[in-house]
Amino acid sequence: DIVMTQSPDSVAVSLGERATINCKSSQSIFSRSDGKNYLTWLQQKSGQSPKMLIYWASTRGSGVPDRFSGSGSGTDFTLTINNVQAEDVAVYYCQQYYLEPATFGQGSKVEIK
Amino acid sequence: EVQLVESGGGAVQPGGSLRLSCAASGFTFSSFWMHWVRQIPGKGLVWVARINSDGTSATYADSVKGRFTISRDNANNTLYLQMESLSAEDTAVYYCARDVRSSRGSFDPWGQGTLVTVSS
Repeated sequence: DIVMTQSPDSVAVSLGERATINCKSSQSIFSRSDGKNYLTWLQQKSGQSPKMLIYWASTRGSGVPDRFSGSGSGTDFTLTINNVQAEDVAVYYCQQYYLEPATFGQGSKVEIK
Repeated sequence: EVQLVESGGGAVQPGGSLRLSCAASGFTFSSFWMHWVRQIPGKGLVWVARINSDGTSATYADSVKGRFTISRDNANNTLYLQMESLSAEDTAVYYCARDVRSSRGSFDPWGQGTLVTVSS
C-alpha cells in the first residue's frame, strides 16, 4: 500500500496568517496517462465528517474559499491556507487514490494561536 | 443534493455482529463504486472496504477480511456493511463515501458517520 506521511502533526497560527501542511507519498501518485496527481486534501472539523477540499492536488472543490490552495506533484504535496480564519480550525488529511486501496495521511491539526 | 446517510451503529459485545446501512440520494447510485472508511475517535481515517457499481466485485482491508462483507441494493439506493466477529479494535465511527476517482480522483461526499462500540 502507498504510505502517506504528513508534517507537521499540528500547527498553530495567528488569525490572518498562513498555514502550510506537507504530505509525502511513498511512491509517485502522478498518472502519466492522464497527467493528474491522485492527491486529495480533506478537511474534518470537530464532530463532523471529512469534506473534500482540494482534488487532483490543486483543484479546489465546489464552494471552497480561494484562501485554500494545493500544490506539488509526484510524491511531495503542500496545502496552504492563506489569511487563516477561525472557521479553518480543523484536522486536514491528505489522501491518495492512485492505487487501491486509497490511503490517508495521519492528519495535521490547524489551531489558532 | 447528493447525500449519504449511515445508520445501524450501536453497542455490541465482543464476538457479536452488526449491519450498517448507508442510504444514498441525489445521484444515480448504481453508477458509482462505494466505500466504507472508519475512524477510531480522535484518530485518523482508515479505508475498510470497496464495492463496484453492480456489486459483483469487492475488496477489503486485511484487518477486516473474512469478517466484514460489503454489499449493495441498487434498487433501493443502499450500501451495507455486515460486520461479524467484532472485537474492541473495531470500535470506530464508520463512514460511507462515494467513489469519484474518474472525475476527481477521490471520495466525495462522505456520510455523517455511525458509531460502532464493541465492549463487554
